[in-house]
Amino acid sequence: ETGVTQTPRHLVMGMTNKKSLKCEQHLGHNAMYWYKQSAKKPLELMFVYNFKEQTENNSVPSRFSPECPNSSHLFLHLHTLQPEDSALYLCASSQDRHRTGLYSNQPQHFGDGTRLSIL
Amino acid sequence: AQTVTQSQPEMSVQEAETVTLSCTYDTSESDYYLFWYKQPPSRQMILVIRQEAYKQQNATENRFSVNFQKAAKSFSLKISDSQLGDAAMYFCAYRSANQGAQKLVFGQGTRLTINP
Repeated sequence: ETGVTQTPRHLVMGMTNKKSLKCEQHLGHNAMYWYKQSAKKPLELMFVYNFKEQTENNSVPSRFSPECPNSSHLFLHLHTLQPEDSALYLCASSQDRHRTGLYSNQPQHFGDGTRLSIL
Repeated sequence: AQTVTQSQPEMSVQEAETVTLSCTYDTSESDYYLFWYKQPPSRQMILVIRQEAYKQQNATENRFSVNFQKAAKSFSLKISDSQLGDAAMYFCAYRSANQGAQKLVFGQGTRLTINP
C-alpha cells in the first residue's frame, strides 16, 4: 500500500481543457514534490513545497499551476497544455527536519503517478 | 549543476545470478546523498538503497548493495540472487546535503530484465 495517493491514474484532455491532478500523502511528511517523467528522459523536478510554501519552481511554464492547501495535499492545475506535456506526473513526499531542507537525507516516497495524454 | 549518468539503458540477467548497474555523477559538492530507486511496471517509485557521501562503508540492504567510489564519483548497484520481481526500471539519484537543497537529480534509468 502506497502512502502517497495520486488521482486520477489516467487523464486524457484536449489542449483547451482545464483539469487538476491530486496528490495526498498519509505519511505525516512536510515536503511534497511534483515530477514529470517523459519517455527516454530523466525525471524532472517541477515544484517543491515545504511546510505548504513553494520553495522551488524549476522553470515550469505557467500553464502548470501548483497548489498546496496543507501539508497532506498537493494539486497540479492544468490549463492550455501542449502535446509535449504528455507524460507521467509523479508526486512525492518526504520528511524534512527543517524548513530549509537541512538534514535532507530522508528519502522521498512516490505515488503511482498520473498518466497524462494531451490530444 | 549536478548531473547523473546511467550509461546502460537496458540490462538483463538470469534468475539467481548477480547483476551490477552503473551510475556516475558530477558534482563539486563534498556532502551529498545518493539513492537507487526502482520503478516496476506498476509505476510506483520505490527506494531500494541510499548512501551518505560522508560514509566510507558501502550501504547494503539484503540482496542489494552499492559500490560507492567517491573519488571516481561512481555509485553502482549490485543485485545478488536476482529474482523475477526485481524486473523494473532502476534510477540512480543525487541529492545535495546543502541547506535549502531538496531536489533529487535523476539519471536516465536502466531497464532490468530477469530471464527465468
